[in-house]
Amino acid sequence: QSALTQPRSVSGSPGQSVTISCTGTSSDVGGYNYVSWYQQHPGKAPKVMIVDVSKRPSGVPDRFSGSKSGNTASLTISGLQAEDEADYYCCSYAGSYNLVFGGGTKLTVL
Amino acid sequence: QLQLQESGPGLVKPSGTLSLTCTVSGDSVSSSSSYWAWVRQPPGKGLEWIGSVSYSGSTYYKPSLKSRVTISVGTSENQFSLRLASVTATDTAVYYCAVYYGEALHVWGQGTLVTVSS
Repeated sequence: QSALTQPRSVSGSPGQSVTISCTGTSSDVGGYNYVSWYQQHPGKAPKVMIVDVSKRPSGVPDRFSGSKSGNTASLTISGLQAEDEADYYCCSYAGSYNLVFGGGTKLTVL
Repeated sequence: QLQLQESGPGLVKPSGTLSLTCTVSGDSVSSSSSYWAWVRQPPGKGLEWIGSVSYSGSTYYKPSLKSRVTISVGTSENQFSLRLASVTATDTAVYYCAVYYGEALHVWGQGTLVTVSS
């Protein structure tokens, strides 16, 4: 059960779009449509932004969207805002009620 | 509104046992169809799923931690707990509890820092 692979950092200017990738294997990301994404501001608890690959929980802006192709999931944030600057983690179901996280991506809004 | 709050010692000696409790308000851990999870985050590092317990007491652990971890539903309807034995400095982390359903962690506690040091 290895951690999912995410880029360490991404950046974008306000109003632009950024995409964060999350690569796993056929035993996790590729095997189930259960990828979730979490936003974490410094010193705060994570907040769920996307579940089931592409569904937004209530209250999450529609600027956040998710997708998956094969063993790679992606989180896209459009219309970047200053408050989007945070760490983002992907997470996948890995069978037998196990979850596996990605290493995290730091988003910088320039 | 569902809320979770972690509690327990902030300092544990090496080789000792880390014990934390998560108090849930707005739901019952024993009657809900949800599962309840623990996640940790070493300082400056990423998130790591530790394990989960179902409303009926079934448990699921990260394989690499399985030999040291016990997660259980508490005697109180509104608590579940984490025990991690034989701790070392690498177990120093912020520990979060969360509600787990639909294969995602929907509501998190604020987290509690546990330091392993003599």
